[in-house]
Amino acid sequence: GEDVEQSLFLSVREGDSSVINCTYTDSSSTYLYWYKQEPGAGLQLLTYIFSNMDMKQDQRLTVLLNKKDKHLSLRIADTQTGDSAIYFCARGDYKLSFGAGTTVTVRA
Amino acid sequence: DTEVTQTPKHLVMGMTNKKSLKCEQHMGHRAMYWYKQKAKKPPELMFVYSYEKLSINESVPSRFSPECPNSSLLNLHLHALQPEDSALYLCASSPDGGGTSSTDTQYFGPGTRLTVL
Repeated sequence: GEDVEQSLFLSVREGDSSVINCTYTDSSSTYLYWYKQEPGAGLQLLTYIFSNMDMKQDQRLTVLLNKKDKHLSLRIADTQTGDSAIYFCARGDYKLSFGAGTTVTVRA
Repeated sequence: DTEVTQTPKHLVMGMTNKKSLKCEQHMGHRAMYWYKQKAKKPPELMFVYSYEKLSINESVPSRFSPECPNSSLLNLHLHALQPEDSALYLCASSPDGGGTSSTDTQYFGPGTRLTVL
């Protein structure tokens, strides 16, 4: 199976919170990352978490890391239409392993 | 400034053409990367340059030829490509050398959309 797995789709109402989940098998990485990709654009680094942390908050973004279950999540508070994009989780050092990406659709 | 720039934004080429993609960063990063991304898929690593030396080649066909003229510039030379090479080509850079086990945070450019006819 793949090293990093994500659910493929998420639909959320504008103003609600979005939670995107990711699981991984190799726990040797120091950092885990979340990238956002809008249509036709490159990858934008959203946030990252050090592997010895459980939680990191950055404005509307909250990252939770459960090392025991090898589970990473990204919560977006007050989701807006501009948050519609594909979100990739990634682990690794200089060689990143990406999940397949979660397509988030924000509906009015 | 966390910007990586790529030119051109779009490129259409025939299978007999020779073209080049260009990537530039002025963040003082010492590692630079080329990725290939097909639609609705995650990026796939192609090459890594660390301190201007090629450190990783992910068994990429020789019709793709990378070049790192200096620490700020990365080129990808294209020759005799196939239609299946059509994709978004992404460049990234990271602060550290990339050739060790230390952790790097990679910053991506906007990509070049390549179409091979």
